[in-house]
Amino acid sequence: DVKVTQSSRYLVKRTGEKVFLECVQDMDHENMFWYRQDPGLGLRLIYFSYDVKMKEKGDIPEGYSVSREKKERFSLILESASTNQTSMYLCASSNPSGTGEQYFGPGTRLTVT
Amino acid sequence: QKEVEQNSGPLSVPEGAIASLNCTYSDRGSQSFFWYRQYSGKSPELIMSIYSNGDKEDGRFTAQLNKASQYVSLLIRDSQPSDSATYLCAVREWDNYGQNFVFGPGTRLSVLP
Repeated sequence: DVKVTQSSRYLVKRTGEKVFLECVQDMDHENMFWYRQDPGLGLRLIYFSYDVKMKEKGDIPEGYSVSREKKERFSLILESASTNQTSMYLCASSNPSGTGEQYFGPGTRLTVT
Repeated sequence: QKEVEQNSGPLSVPEGAIASLNCTYSDRGSQSFFWYRQYSGKSPELIMSIYSNGDKEDGRFTAQLNKASQYVSLLIRDSQPSDSATYLCAVREWDNYGQNFVFGPGTRLSVLP
């Protein structure tokens, strides 16, 4: 069964803190993605990775960085959290060959105060 | 800019009726299409994928694809209150880095008991 897990379901951080969001998949997928979702704005792509140690900017990378040291793990880093980064963060993975379905983790609801 | 469009809704149908959700996309070269269901506060869950013109049925769900008209739809038969959710349409695209996914804004479905 497909499994994408995220380190926290809910997280509260203070402005200026460095925040790490972890995502792990057990499907041996090459591609992994980080999105944020806000009411009225839909899903927006922050960063994606096509393979280990490879990363590409998505539509809204400002204020974020990522790390992919192992195939199964993709981390999103907020260098200095700000209140406008309060959002639902969703990790997803996909196998680019074949049918290419993308599967999502449960999400992390981050609140920055 | 590649786009995926959906009516935001809400679409209200009575219990037991057929719910029809529509999606149009701009890239004529798109080959892979997905429907996700997202309950409030939860992450998107893949419910259907379709790659060829015509209909694909899975239980109470039928996905329909018409590449010439660039639309994909999802029919939900015998709608239940538990089907009340936001339905996201996604299209797989290819760029210089590999695959990526373009999501529509979602249609909110309300099934009335």
